[in-house]
Amino acid sequence: GENVEQHPSTLSVQEGDSAVIKCTYSDSASNYFPWYKQELGKGPQLIIDIRSNVGEKKDQRIAVTLNKTAKHFSLHITETQPEDSAVYFCAAESSGSARQLTFGSGTQLTVLP
Amino acid sequence: DAGITQSPRHKVTETGTPVTLRCHQTENHRYMYWYRQDPGHGLRLIHYSYGVKDTDKGEVSDGYSVSRSKTEDFLLTLESATSSQTSVYFCAISGGARDTEAFFGQGTRLTVV
Repeated sequence: GENVEQHPSTLSVQEGDSAVIKCTYSDSASNYFPWYKQELGKGPQLIIDIRSNVGEKKDQRIAVTLNKTAKHFSLHITETQPEDSAVYFCAAESSGSARQLTFGSGTQLTVLP
Repeated sequence: DAGITQSPRHKVTETGTPVTLRCHQTENHRYMYWYRQDPGHGLRLIHYSYGVKDTDKGEVSDGYSVSRSKTEDFLLTLESATSSQTSVYFCAISGGARDTEAFFGQGTRLTVV
């Protein structure tokens, strides 16, 4: 099955700086890669996603890049703000039925004021 | 927020007792999932459903069973709870208008003593 690895596990940045989180996946048939943000005590919430026919996608301060050849994708957050502090998860949709997502182990992002 | 309700939100139970967690959706989404979240492991899929009475195992299904008798309800049962099943459990749904996006519930914190 699919295996997703995520780095780093913790990341601290100064407010206004950029943050980058990286993930690799193993199943070359995976074609959908979402990113989720989880705030304390809440369920994960989708913040951006990308499909395998696209190399990059942006939504305001957030962007995701995908390199299918190398089987890795990254989340970029620019001009970070304290409210960006949360745990971020990458995921890959496994080939097969029922839209199964395999998640990375998460990155605790802390934005220091 | 997507209409997903998990109950109970918190539960403490003794080793060896049966426990049932409930996920209720008002979105009429086709797919429903149960994940567990543990430090360092991200979210791991326990079981999923692709329709009424259609369920299948995920990555960490041992010790768990599920049932889906109605589109809106997906039950997770621990037949005989063990301390290793202490975790936070999340229900998710997908298959709506934006087909691939998964929406998560608020989670159930289960402690087995």
